[in-house]
Amino acid sequence: DQQVKQNSPSLSVQEGRISILNCDYTNSMFDYFLWYKKYPAEGPTFLISISSIKDKNEDGRFTVFLNKSAKHLSLHIVPSQPGDSAVYFCAARETNSGYALNFGKGTSLLVTP
Amino acid sequence: EPEVTQTPSHQVTQMGQEVILRCVPISNHLYFYWYRQILGQKVEFLVSFYNNEISEKSEIFDDQFSVERPDGSNFTLKIRSTKLEDSAMYFCASSSRAFRVEWGGEQFFGPGTRLTVL
Repeated sequence: DQQVKQNSPSLSVQEGRISILNCDYTNSMFDYFLWYKKYPAEGPTFLISISSIKDKNEDGRFTVFLNKSAKHLSLHIVPSQPGDSAVYFCAARETNSGYALNFGKGTSLLVTP
Repeated sequence: EPEVTQTPSHQVTQMGQEVILRCVPISNHLYFYWYRQILGQKVEFLVSFYNNEISEKSEIFDDQFSVERPDGSNFTLKIRSTKLEDSAMYFCASSSRAFRVEWGGEQFFGPGTRLTVL
């Protein structure tokens, strides 16, 4: 069962523009959301997170927005750089579940010069 | 910068054989995890480990799987009798603290071991 969905397998953006990666979830018990970035031959690298008590969290060029009523979150990268080209995974944690992260399938971002 | 390391990077085995995947978590971390990603699919949680015991496991983590922290630095995943469907990338992760909504408890991942079962 796909509780975390990233419906766009790929996204191409020009350098300097905004990249918007989307993620939807179905489990209303999720209370913490994370974005990971993954380069080929490397493990996922933590990027940014947001608690369900917030609707926005910002860290430099990266901003995550959470819309709980729509069960939707998005990652904005502004401005996009070629080094941002990677696969981005959305992940969520369920209240009282402990440690398991539920991942989406990922979106491959390509930032072109 | 401290990082999680995993060995080997690629393991090829015959169906029915036992494999041990090795991980060295970040040195001051106390919580350890295994995930796997079958080609083309999502990353899936297998197990978490704290204080020398399993704290949580998924339905994937059946009796064929076991984890161990044999010494102060290594964390291993053993698959007793591999099946074709065990072919996947296996990621080890660690975190310094337990998860809390207030502060997170982000997990740091290793580069993975690609397991191929023939």
